[in-house]
Amino acid sequence: DTAVSQTPKYLVTQMGNDKSIKCEQNLGHDTMYWYKQDSKKFLKIMFSYNNKELIINETVPNRFSPKSPDKAHLNLHINSLELGDSAVYFCASSQRTSTYEQYFGPGTRLTVT
Amino acid sequence: AQKITQTQPGMFVQEKEAVTLDCTYDTSDPSYGLFWYKQPSSGEMIFLIYQGSYDQQNATEGRYSLNFQKARKSANLVISASQLGDSAMYFCAMRERGNNNDMRFGAGTRLTVKP
Repeated sequence: DTAVSQTPKYLVTQMGNDKSIKCEQNLGHDTMYWYKQDSKKFLKIMFSYNNKELIINETVPNRFSPKSPDKAHLNLHINSLELGDSAVYFCASSQRTSTYEQYFGPGTRLTVT
Repeated sequence: AQKITQTQPGMFVQEKEAVTLDCTYDTSDPSYGLFWYKQPSSGEMIFLIYQGSYDQQNATEGRYSLNFQKARKSANLVISASQLGDSAMYFCAMRERGNNNDMRFGAGTRLTVKP
């Protein structure tokens, strides 16, 4: 059983397009996250979200928006894609009543041409 | 300001030997947690070990142990009896209660285990 899954694993698209990445967790966790990992492997949090509040990293452009249809899903929608958006995007989840360790999805490699 | 510092971009270790990966952190929050993750070349992020700021003993998980020195604000990862499969990127991370318990990662250390 996959704990945190993401689709697609690879996404190649052109500048200016709009795309979405889907994330699902079956761990029963109450909080989900999106991270961006750049070409130098630096991991940066973009959003954290539970059913009560969305915390947005202030450096994230508003072209990026998380959408959560329910507790088990947190999708990432990106408008007007730019070359600099090329990166690996990770979804993660955690339970905020425990030690908060996060479990990550396999990542989505986004390439903008 | 950088909250998590990993000063070793790359490390080499001989198979079956032990290796220490350094991590220092900066916080004034009394309640925080420290984590280590492994990222092999396949790309997934694997949770290895956790240390809470109030934990009295160093955390251990199999061949992984966390050398927690609170006063020095360091949380080094020790891998004993290195295996070829330990070759990967290793990330130190911290969450702070005052920062919504969100996690911040260090820049990572690339470990290569030599046969």
